[in-house]
Amino acid sequence: GQNIDQPTEMTATEGAIVQINCTYQTSGFNGLFWYQQHAGEAPTFLSYNVLDGLEEKGRFSSFLSRSKGYSYLLLKELQMKDSASYLCAVMDSNYQLIWGAGTKLIIKP
Amino acid sequence: DGGITQSPKYLFRKEGQNVTLSCEQNLNHDAMYWYRQDPGQGLRLIYYSQIVNDFQKGDIAEGYSVSREKKESFPLTVTSAQKNPTAFYLCASSTNQEADTQYFGPGTRLTVL
Repeated sequence: GQNIDQPTEMTATEGAIVQINCTYQTSGFNGLFWYQQHAGEAPTFLSYNVLDGLEEKGRFSSFLSRSKGYSYLLLKELQMKDSASYLCAVMDSNYQLIWGAGTKLIIKP
Repeated sequence: DGGITQSPKYLFRKEGQNVTLSCEQNLNHDAMYWYRQDPGQGLRLIYYSQIVNDFQKGDIAEGYSVSREKKESFPLTVTSAQKNPTAFYLCASSTNQEADTQYFGPGTRLTVL
């Protein structure tokens, strides 16, 4: 079966750095997406990785290792507004998105 | 401004009633999707459509129906056959290019009493 694993919840301090991991086993691979979702709102797109390596976009970076079935989202200089759930999703061989359950990130002052 | 709209934001229905959730987009996207989100679970695909007048079942289509008569609109009907309809419903759209990003509407929270 297809499976996406990410931690259920993480806590970090304002101004610090946090890394949210995602491991996957899917039928084929056509890229990995990270979305941010505030409570009760729509997911918003953060990043897309299809090749191995690190993609940096402001305070957020995303890393992919296809051989290990592993990705992480790195958030720097954490702000209170970063409190949200972070969803990892993999596009399989049929170009369908397989979603993880999301990681709830709690930022403390 | 281009975007995806869903209405209403909150919806309450009695058990046994059908209900239709609206999804409209003005992004000129060919593909549209309906997902269901439950606490502690990943998004699950209900139906998707890659072109007008055509749609396919997703992983959990039982108890749901859709139509795609216009490019801009992809309404979802939750029928009385859906055993556990209370959930957060998200509509998304994308171009039909492979591996393109999906963009989401604000969602409709359906509660069946």
